[in-house]
Amino acid sequence: EAGVTQSPTHLIKTRGQQATLRCSPISGHTSVYWYQQALGLGLQFLLWYDEGEERNRGNFPPRFSGRQFPNYSSELNVNALELEDSALYLCASSVSGTGYGYTFGSGTRLTVV
Amino acid sequence: SQQGEEDPQALSIQEGENATMNCSYKTSINNLQWYRQNSGRGLVHLILIRSNEREKHSGRLRVTLDTSKKSSSLLITASRAADTASYFCATDLTDKLIFGTGTRLQVFP
Repeated sequence: EAGVTQSPTHLIKTRGQQATLRCSPISGHTSVYWYQQALGLGLQFLLWYDEGEERNRGNFPPRFSGRQFPNYSSELNVNALELEDSALYLCASSVSGTGYGYTFGSGTRLTVV
Repeated sequence: SQQGEEDPQALSIQEGENATMNCSYKTSINNLQWYRQNSGRGLVHLILIRSNEREKHSGRLRVTLDTSKKSSSLLITASRAADTASYFCATDLTDKLIFGTGTRLQVFP
């Protein structure tokens, strides 16, 4: 069974540009979660999608947005990139809801220069 | 501030020794989960303990939960060099998992 896949593995962008990160969940998982792991700040909750709907978002500005497609894959978009957006972005999936363990992807390393 | 905080922040032991990590949290939870992260890669789910459970085992892992003290501990017995990683607790608040600050475990051969 394929795990959670994220693409690209690495992404380098210039300040002010837009970044798009992609995530494919495990087959049968309807929930997708996004986390930001910046150096020294731990994992910060970004977004939760389930059945195509945004269920919850963390304390991030509106330039962080995303969506979930009918096949349950998801995109995270970051507009107007700032240097402090440089981080490892982790996607996780689970059977609907948080009452089960998450399966994480390997992440996308975003560097803003 | 973080919902969960691990203690210690870093731990160094020899192979064969036991490693204990503690997690404290602030609000009521549905369950508490422990994850491992190797070298900035994705996290791996280790174990989930529900709020009505007090202790759970999985292989060399033993997790305890004390909801009255809002704390949990992860014990790794007979550690191996391959256990070297960061370990995070995560509290289930129904609409999100909140991760702690992590414990960096180094196991020396």
